[in-house]
Amino acid sequence: QVQLQESGPGLVKPSETLSLTCSVSGGSTSDNYWNWIRQPPGKGLEWIGYAFYSGSTNYNPSLKSRVTISLDPSKNQIFLKLTSVTAADTAIYYCGRDSLDYAGVVDVWGKGTTVTVSS
Amino acid sequence: DVQMTQSPSSLSASVGDRVTITCRASQTIDTYLNWYQLKPGKAPKLLIYAASSLHSGVPLRFSGSGSGTDFTLTISSLQPEDFATYCCQQSDSTPYSFGQGTKLEIK
Repeated sequence: QVQLQESGPGLVKPSETLSLTCSVSGGSTSDNYWNWIRQPPGKGLEWIGYAFYSGSTNYNPSLKSRVTISLDPSKNQIFLKLTSVTAADTAIYYCGRDSLDYAGVVDVWGKGTTVTVSS
Repeated sequence: DVQMTQSPSSLSASVGDRVTITCRASQTIDTYLNWYQLKPGKAPKLLIYAASSLHSGVPLRFSGSGSGTDFTLTISSLQPEDFATYCCQQSDSTPYSFGQGTKLEIK
């Protein structure tokens, strides 16, 4: 079955760019929309945005000026870039696959990767 | 943007108990409501989509109901593996939004 694995630096300095990769196995990134979602410590989940292999994207307005989500179908990977990070960006970051039949339903998730923003 | 409010924020229960978690949307979202189970260090799991449809492989003790603004997740007979955090999400419109979560603990 489809499995997702997030990877990237666990520590990022304030004002720098957070870059994460989600690697997909058992499926193709060309078939679905792909989401990034995060959970700050002690808080609920926050939807960051999604991308489709065609280049179509949709971002949370609260992050839109700082976020880019892209895909490399040849590598079966999804990428997240978040610029000008602050301590408020400290969170567990998850990638998730949108259901083919129901938009916005995340039917497969990765285990998440913890990112801490600190000098 | 649609705000999602869950209650309670935490709940203590015993194996075999029936529990219900409530989720309220700040505006009508028809049945575009999904429920997820979260456990530390594990991939979140989709339980219920479209308010009441059971995701493949999810045990029948889980059920969902509601439409419009008020929704519930019910676990009919708690099993040890069900102690986790449960989170609702609206997929009616972007930005998609989640409730703050309900932590279900062993009594």
